[in-house]
Amino acid sequence: SQKIEQNSEALNIQEGKTATLTCNYTNYSPAYLQWYRQDPGRGPVFLLLIRENEKEKRKERLKVTFDTTLKQSLFHITASQPADSATYLCAHQGDSNYQLIWGAGTKLIIKP
Amino acid sequence: NAGVMQNPRHLVRRRGQEARLRCSPMKGHSHVYWYRQLPEEGLKFMVYLQKENIIDESGMPKERFSAEFPKEGPSILRIQQVVRGDSAAYFCASSPGTGGGDGYTFGSGTRLTVV
Repeated sequence: SQKIEQNSEALNIQEGKTATLTCNYTNYSPAYLQWYRQDPGRGPVFLLLIRENEKEKRKERLKVTFDTTLKQSLFHITASQPADSATYLCAHQGDSNYQLIWGAGTKLIIKP
Repeated sequence: NAGVMQNPRHLVRRRGQEARLRCSPMKGHSHVYWYRQLPEEGLKFMVYLQKENIIDESGMPKERFSAEFPKEGPSILRIQQVVRGDSAAYFCASSPGTGGGDGYTFGSGTRLTVV
């Protein structure tokens, strides 16, 4: 079955450094991957979408890459700030275009 | 322009009672999706609805769970005869069209606790 894996351990990064989060998927070749941010007690907030024919996508301090050979997406936050602390979720569509398969998320902690 | 509105934010029910979760999509969005999230787990798809139609309920348990999106009013996720295992956060998302090509807008969720 389709599966998405994200590092379950929290990632601690010093403020100002680049944070890199990993998303690995198996048993599927998604047309796109999405990244969301989720704060405690809140719903996911859409950040970026990258399609299979795109190697890289950027939005302000965010960058996402998509390697279909490795079946992996990397999510980077440059010049990280304590306000970037949150759980980051990766998702791709399932067999149907509208149904998302989600990773469990990686908790990012930016230390001042 | 309000986002996706879910209520209540927190709901406590005793075993055997009914839980009703409401979701009003963003203005202009006619597609609604319900997801369930257990602690330390990823969101799990439950059901996809358009106005007055259930498009896909493959992720929803066959018994006790039902969903609707009437012509007027919010989408409702109903859980009858709740059990402890139903305790979770339930999120609703909406989109203007089919597919996630532009990402989904989520509500803040309803946290259901069954005691």
